[in-house]
Amino acid sequence: SQQGEEDPQALSIQEGENATMNCSYKTSINNLQWYRQNSGRGLVHLILIRSNEREKHSGRLRVTLDTSKKSSSLLITASRAADTASYFCATDGQNFVFGPGTRLSVLP
Amino acid sequence: DTAVSQTPKYLVTQMGNDKSIKCEQNLGHDTMYWYKQDSKKFLKIMFSYNNKELIINETVPNRFSPKSPDKAHLNLHINSLELGDSAVYFCASSLPGFQPQHFGDGTRLSIL
Repeated sequence: SQQGEEDPQALSIQEGENATMNCSYKTSINNLQWYRQNSGRGLVHLILIRSNEREKHSGRLRVTLDTSKKSSSLLITASRAADTASYFCATDGQNFVFGPGTRLSVLP
Repeated sequence: DTAVSQTPKYLVTQMGNDKSIKCEQNLGHDTMYWYKQDSKKFLKIMFSYNNKELIINETVPNRFSPKSPDKAHLNLHINSLELGDSAVYFCASSLPGFQPQHFGDGTRLSIL
């Protein structure tokens, strides 16, 4: 079974709104990473959060980690059309397993 | 300059053929990976090399054989291609450990 699973599978919002994506995982982890994938391109690393961290920020991105619930969330504030992409979480629990991703569409 | 480059970008071939995909990184990383992304976007790790040594070898058919001539290159050779091998194959590199990975833009393999 998948180690990291994102939800929702797809999310459609208007430009300027916030987008929240969630990731759940099954085994203990040391680190969790979020990546973005634009259509037809490779994954781009966004942020890494360690198991002893609860929250991390990078520009318009905010990531939280709750190890007791084995979940993480990625918040993109003030979304732009250029944020349209698939977003993946990856954990080190079992050989860098990636979830199926959340497809985010930001409508102008 | 492209950090992680894969060739070819597209590969269309017939069942039963043998093909290779090449990957090169100019980031000075010690660790390189091969991933397979299926049509539902699930991304699964296949292999990982650290400084030319195989460190991760997931359950992958023996028809897939990685080769790392030096730490900047990790090639993937596939024998006797099957329909189920159709997917996008990504190469990536990173510093050792669970560090941020840099991905190539993928090789889209289609088996006829």
